[in-house]
Amino acid sequence: DIRMTQSPSSLSASVGDRVTITCRASQSISDYLNWYQHKPGKAPKLLIYAASSLQSGVPSRFSGSGSGTDFTLTISSLQPADFATYYCQQSYSTPLTFGGGTKVEIK
Amino acid sequence: EVQLVESGGGLVQPGGSLRLSCAASGFTFSSYSMNWVRQAPGKGLEWVSYISSSRNTIYYADSVKGRFTISRDNAKNSLYLQMNSLRAEDTAVYYCARLYYFDSSGWEFDAFDIWGQGTMVTVSS
Repeated sequence: DIRMTQSPSSLSASVGDRVTITCRASQSISDYLNWYQHKPGKAPKLLIYAASSLQSGVPSRFSGSGSGTDFTLTISSLQPADFATYYCQQSYSTPLTFGGGTKVEIK
Repeated sequence: EVQLVESGGGLVQPGGSLRLSCAASGFTFSSYSMNWVRQAPGKGLEWVSYISSSRNTIYYADSVKGRFTISRDNAKNSLYLQMNSLRAEDTAVYYCARLYYFDSSGWEFDAFDIWGQGTMVTVSS
């Protein structure tokens, strides 16, 4: 199984801050990496697919980069609606696996 | 509106059974592969099972293999998860999720693009 490791597990940031979350795969997954945003009591939301492609309707302040084993999700200017937990997920092989999540909290 | 709505969750004793349903609307359900994903209390997301559009291909996580069965009825636009021999560690919110295939630079990538709101399953005596 491919293990996905996210860091940090949580962070505190202020509105307007630039936020970076990293995700590392235990083996190369090429660009088969997706990012999701999840708020309590809500359905998870797809932000980025194929490592760097922005899902339709997602604000351009979200961006993804990386390939192989190391990936990054960046929020260029944190907004109040962005406080949530973020997960990476590999779609390279089954079992499909998620990172442990990064909780973004208000400073 | 594209929508997935789960139902069937509840409280069940260890060793018991439960059947979850997911009703799809707003899209051609029979054209898409579907999945179940769960989140235990205080934990992250865990993929549970996959079924292809035509039901030809099915996958399970090792943690549920032999106990859970995924199925679908394309005529009823519905996805199901039959859960048997339930354990305390199966306690979670269960989400159904559509798998969408994106074309990026000529390559095909997939991701869960539509999710339901989830249904809570509690396994406890």
